[in-house]
This record gives sequence, C-alpha cells and structure tokens, in this order.
Amino acid sequence: EAQVTQNPRYLITVTGKKLTVTCSQNMNHEYMSWYRQDPGLGLRQIYYSMNVEVTDKGDVPEGYKVSRKEKRNFPLILESPSPNQTSLYFCASSLIGQSYEQYFGPGTRLTVT
Amino acid sequence: RKEVEQDPGPFNVPEGATVAFNCTYSNSASQSFFWYRQDCRKEPKLLMSVYSSGNEDGRFTAQLNRASQYISLLIRDSKLSDSATYLCVVNESGNQFYFGTGTSLTVIP
Repeated sequence: EAQVTQNPRYLITVTGKKLTVTCSQNMNHEYMSWYRQDPGLGLRQIYYSMNVEVTDKGDVPEGYKVSRKEKRNFPLILESPSPNQTSLYFCASSLIGQSYEQYFGPGTRLTVT
Repeated sequence: RKEVEQDPGPFNVPEGATVAFNCTYSNSASQSFFWYRQDCRKEPKLLMSVYSSGNEDGRFTAQLNRASQYISLLIRDSKLSDSATYLCVVNESGNQFYFGTGTSLTVIP
C-alpha cells in the first residue's frame, strides 16, 4: 500500500530535550516536506527536500533541522524544543512535476511543556 | 500579508445545496493551485488540482482567475460526506507551498 508513515504519532516532551520525528514514504517520491498546523494559521511549510542531500527552508524553519540521506526518509529534528513548537506536524511527499500531488502522513501531535 | 487567504466560514448548508468557496493569493508568479480536503485534524487529502481553463470532477468544479489572483471551488448537490475543511493551496517557484487556513463546511440533513 502506497503511504507516508510518521512516528511517533503522539509525543509529550519537556523543553530542551532533543527529539526526532521520523517520516518515511514507499512511493519513490523525490519531493518531501514538513508542515506544522496551528489553529488559525493553517499549515505552514517548515522544510522541504527536492531529492537526496537537497534540502531547503520553508516558511518557518527556525528551531528545526532536517536531513535527507535516503530517498524514502526525511526526519524532522528539534534540537532544543520549546513550548511554541507545540503543534500538529505533517510530513508529505510527491513526485516532482506539474501535478505536485502531495500525499500526507497521518500527523504527529507534539506537546512541549 | 498572508500568501493565501480564505474565508474560514463556517458554511452550514442543507443537503443538496450548491456551495462555493473562494481563495485569493498574493504572488502573481504562483505556478500551480490545488484544493485539499481535511477531516477533523486528520491528514489533508488532495481533492483536485486547479487548471487555468477550469476543471470539473463529478460534483466539484474548480476555477482559476490569474488576473484577479483567486481560485474557487464549487460543490453541487452537497452530501453529508462533504462536511470537512477545504484547504486552498498555492505552489510558488515549483517547490514551496502555501496553504490557506481552510474553510469549514457542514452539510446538514
């Protein structure tokens, strides 16, 4: 089954404790992206990657890191999480081209206390 | 200024009604446009891409007006299952995406 998976689905952590949210896709998509969704603000793009070893900042990259060592994986790293990073996070992937139809993972609900 | 703006609603319509959503975008160089559907904090799912000439998929019609920088979504013969939040999405420079905050639709029996 074609899908994007994220882990963990739910995470409660404390300020400053490094964490990683994994994202994996099995569709051989070149493009992958991370978004956060907050009430009243909609989805905002954090980072995206056009292919292996190619990453770039989105609209709200501060406080986040990513890596793309393999085509299928695109982990999101919070080196020192803060309460303002409490949010619902989505990973997405797509082929590159005119359609850019993005497939989203199920989301990770992160709470930083 | 937000890149993409949508009326948040909520829109409450009876079954069978026709409802239209509009969305405006700020960057005239935007390349591609989409409508996504999101159910109750689940992941967004593509409803349809929006083409310059307009396009239809069953009860759904999408239109793009580049001169006025807006896109629209028309839903005919609304079903209870159409209740969701509809997200307008704009792709700039081929790799960055901007989402509207979403328009909430509830179809009432």
